[in-house]
Amino acid sequence: GENVEQHPSTLSVQEGDSAVIKCTYSDSASNYFPWYKQELGKGPQLIIDIRSNVGEKKDQRIAVTLNKTAKHFSLHITETQPEDSAVYFCAAAPQGAQKLVFGQGTRLTINP
Amino acid sequence: DTAVSQTPKYLVTQMGNDKSIKCEQNLGHDTMYWYKQDSKKFLKIMFSYNNKELIINETVPNRFSPKSPDKAHLNLHINSLELGDSAVYFCASSRRGGLAKNIQYFGAGTRLSVL
Repeated sequence: GENVEQHPSTLSVQEGDSAVIKCTYSDSASNYFPWYKQELGKGPQLIIDIRSNVGEKKDQRIAVTLNKTAKHFSLHITETQPEDSAVYFCAAAPQGAQKLVFGQGTRLTINP
Repeated sequence: DTAVSQTPKYLVTQMGNDKSIKCEQNLGHDTMYWYKQDSKKFLKIMFSYNNKELIINETVPNRFSPKSPDKAHLNLHINSLELGDSAVYFCASSRRGGLAKNIQYFGAGTRLSVL
């Protein structure tokens, strides 16, 4: 089955700098890759996603890139702000399966 | 209006008890899920239902019994609770088909503590 690895597990950056979180997946048939942000005491919230027919997607300060050949995808956050501090999860959806397989999560801390 | 709502938010109970968690979504979705998040924050799917039909059961002990009375509701009943069941349980929903398929929306979670 699908396996998703996420790195790093913790990331600390200065406010205004960029943050990058990387994930790899094992099932080449997976075709949907969302990123979720989880704040303390809350449920995961979708922040951006990408499907396998697209290489890059941007939404203001957030971007996701997908390399299907290498089976990895990354989240890029530019001009980080204190409210970006949270746990971020990547996930992959195996084709035809009604589920998401999540990475282990990255705790991002933005230092003022 | 909350899109995916779970009750209760917190549940503290003794080992051996039976408890239920309820979930409702008002997004018009046809697929609902239960995920378990352990103390290390790892999120893992437990069950998936489409139009009230079970489609995924990820080797969850049969002490866990999901029930979907209709497309908008998916409840989770747990018998004979064990210490290892302590976790945060998240309900989610999505559409099975169309442009928005696979996009899952999560509830706020139910923190279960078994003493």
